[in-house]
Amino acid sequence: DAKTTQPTSMDCAEGRAANLPCNHSTISGNEYVYWYRQIHSQGPQYIIHGLKNNETNEMASLIITEDRKSSTLILPHATLRDTAVYYCIVINQGGSEKLVFGKGMKLTVNP
Amino acid sequence: DVKVTQSSRYLVKRTGEKVFLECVQDMDHENMFWYRQDPGLGLRLIYFSYDVKMKEKGDIPEGYSVSREKKERFSLILESASTNQTSMYLCASLGILPHEQFFGPGTRLTVL
Repeated sequence: DAKTTQPTSMDCAEGRAANLPCNHSTISGNEYVYWYRQIHSQGPQYIIHGLKNNETNEMASLIITEDRKSSTLILPHATLRDTAVYYCIVINQGGSEKLVFGKGMKLTVNP
Repeated sequence: DVKVTQSSRYLVKRTGEKVFLECVQDMDHENMFWYRQDPGLGLRLIYFSYDVKMKEKGDIPEGYSVSREKKERFSLILESASTNQTSMYLCASLGILPHEQFFGPGTRLTVL
């Protein structure tokens, strides 16, 4: 019973912004949205997380809708090295719940 | 930078062999995890440890055991390797943020 829905794949041109959508219509009030990515032949890498406010760090921005039912990860200037599988994960901040990586979305950045 | 290292990138073993996969982290993290990743199945949690000598089963512990004798080292053991344990094995440690896990590069294990 997946908590999130992502497109299977997406293409983006190098240098352009990549907007990666995620639906989480059943998210509860104490659940956060986490994003990870996995570059080919590497382990997953944490990108960013948020609760309800928009967040930005050196890697990306996270925009969460006001109703919190969806979010968008933005890579402002995609590079070829951003080609990866991106995972959107909804999870309680505390407690013993463990990360569940779904199938994710394959982003291909084209030259 | 946090560094999580795994003993081998590639490993080939025979059915019935005992296999040790080693993971070391250098940031004094308390929580460590072992996952396996298979096409179409995503990452699945095998075991985790929240302290030295402490361990808990994940979603698919059958056929595996773990050892955490020192805080920085978390070992995954396949007591008697089988072909269905051919997989990519990923180790992770948990940082300061509740779900910020740092992953190693993975070990691709093939059991013949």
